[in-house]
Amino acid sequence: EAGVAQSPRYKIIEKRQSVAFWCNPISGHATLYWYQQILGQGPKLLIQFQNNGVVDDSQLPKDRFSAERLKGVDSTLKIQPAKLEDSAVYLCASSPFRTGSTGELFFGEGSRLTVL
Amino acid sequence: GIQVEQSPPDLILQEGANSTLRCNFSDSVNNLQWFHQNPWGQLINLFYIPSGTKQNGRLSATTVATERYSLLYISSSQTTDSGVYFCAAPREKLTFGTGTRLTIIP
Repeated sequence: EAGVAQSPRYKIIEKRQSVAFWCNPISGHATLYWYQQILGQGPKLLIQFQNNGVVDDSQLPKDRFSAERLKGVDSTLKIQPAKLEDSAVYLCASSPFRTGSTGELFFGEGSRLTVL
Repeated sequence: GIQVEQSPPDLILQEGANSTLRCNFSDSVNNLQWFHQNPWGQLINLFYIPSGTKQNGRLSATTVATERYSLLYISSSQTTDSGVYFCAAPREKLTFGTGTRLTIIP
């Protein structure tokens, strides 16, 4: 079974530029998550999708971050314009559970962003 | 939201030693996950354990949900066990602890 796929693995941009990250979850997983992990900290949830609907985006900085999962499969996370403090690893995860309690999450390898 | 605390924050051991990592959570949860973050940054699933004890090779985990803690045991440590270990507990969403950085010295 293929795991969660993410791209690109690494990205270096200058502040005020834009960047997009792509995630393809495990086949059949209804729930998709984007996490931000700053160096030395645990991952922090940015947004959670169930199929193509948003379940939780309370910690997403909506003035600069956006995410979509148009067909309920793969997802894109965009940052525009980027700030220095956005330097982090962006982790995508998926889970087979649809509603109710959080099921087991499976993570991709992450996309490491450096903002100069 | 739920608070998740891990201890110790750092642990340095000689190869072959055993270790115990602890995870405390502030509210009742219906599940708990342990992850190993390898040096390349990927989070590897170790255990999905709501209660009781599970074992996988040299690793085992015990969750006592009524007392709001979980323990991860690593026996006969190897250098490949080095990395950061996270526990994560769900309420409405999965909340991660701050991690335990484990360094195994050959």
